[in-house]
Amino acid sequence: EPEVTQTPSHQVTQMGQEVILRCVPISNHLYFYWYRQILGQKVEFLVSFYNNEISEKSEIFDDQFSVERPDGSNFTLKIRSTKLEDSAMYFCASGLAGGRGNTQYFGPGTRLTVL
Amino acid sequence: TQLLEQSPQFLSIQEGENLTVYCNSSSVFSSLQWYRQEPGEGPVLLVTVVTGGEVKKLKRLTFQFGDARKDSSLHITAAQPGDTGLYLCAGPQTGANNLFFGTGTRLTVIP
Repeated sequence: EPEVTQTPSHQVTQMGQEVILRCVPISNHLYFYWYRQILGQKVEFLVSFYNNEISEKSEIFDDQFSVERPDGSNFTLKIRSTKLEDSAMYFCASGLAGGRGNTQYFGPGTRLTVL
Repeated sequence: TQLLEQSPQFLSIQEGENLTVYCNSSSVFSSLQWYRQEPGEGPVLLVTVVTGGEVKKLKRLTFQFGDARKDSSLHITAAQPGDTGLYLCAGPQTGANNLFFGTGTRLTVIP
């Protein structure tokens, strides 16, 4: 069964460094998302991407964040200058359709630790 | 602001027992999805419910979407230790595709 994959599984970085988190969505999906989950808290939406552009973003997704789909398979999340509070699990998700009943499939996550 | 409240927050039961967990909101959702999450892993989709009053079954799991599409329930029959995990409900934000997640119910099934 097709699945969303993410790399790396764990990333440790120093505060102020740039990190790039990588995702390979399910191949025929058209909608792509990043979410994060701080330890012990709810899963929170960051950004959605459709038709090669950002379609929605939350207030968490500030100028330090960017997303890219550099080729037909990868979907990346870049954090330009990491802060301690960026430490979290980052989940990529993809879906075939939007609108009512849109179903999203999540990857296993990247655990980001900012020291 | 849309809120999804799940109850109970924690539930610990013996193997073989039945249980129901709830996902409630004051807002109408066009659909709701249920996920199960293991520690350190991503949410795994269990079901999507779309139509008010809809009931879906997945083996021993029964999902119901409220008639007014403001609430949903998950009933597990004869719980097994493999059912242990964090159960999350999520629905799309109004007018958007991104999901808003509930607080979760952490289920522990004791052998």
